[in-house]
Amino acid sequence: KQEVTQIPAALSVPEGENLVLNCSFTDSAIYNLQWFRQDPGKGLTSLLLIQSSQREQTSGRLNASLDKSSGRSTLYIAASQPGDSATYLCAANTGGFKTIFGAGTRLFVKA
Amino acid sequence: DVKVTQSSRYLVKRTGEKVFLECVQDMDHENMFWYRQDPGLGLRLIYFSYDVKMKEKGDIPEGYSVSREKKERFSLILESASTNQTSMYLCASRSHGLADSYEQYFGPGTRLTVT
Repeated sequence: KQEVTQIPAALSVPEGENLVLNCSFTDSAIYNLQWFRQDPGKGLTSLLLIQSSQREQTSGRLNASLDKSSGRSTLYIAASQPGDSATYLCAANTGGFKTIFGAGTRLFVKA
Repeated sequence: DVKVTQSSRYLVKRTGEKVFLECVQDMDHENMFWYRQDPGLGLRLIYFSYDVKMKEKGDIPEGYSVSREKKERFSLILESASTNQTSMYLCASRSHGLADSYEQYFGPGTRLTVT
């Protein structure tokens, strides 16, 4: 049974710092891995999707990597800003209709 | 840009009422999903639909039903609302095809309170 874990559960950093959010999954037979951002009381916004055949994806200050053999994905945020404060969730798609979500990392960037 | 909309951002209903939550997507996606999100429990799949009139139970379907009469619209129905159904409800859609990579797109959510 696929399980997705995110560490840390919460993170507070000063503005400008580069940071890494971690996501681990137990079954390497994934179709893709998707990173989302969620602001309080809002829906999920898709940030990046990495196919199983890919190693990384980049969008602006965000870079997501995928290592299937070790069951890990990381989301790197460069030069963090207060507007980056949100909860970040990763989700593993096993190719069927079920997506397994992590519990999220709550990020707070201090001005 | 894919757009998924939900009929209400906030909803307050009384115990025993029948509640309809509507979700509409504009990208001709085959698959649509209803999740609920609760603190400490994360996102849990209630129902999904892989095509018009097709539906499958997710992990927590008890107390809910769904309807998909048109491809763009997926409705979640609470037959008799109870206080333990107070939650954030999230709708999502995705295309079913290798070229589209199974990327999921979410609506803004409906915060339902049952009193």
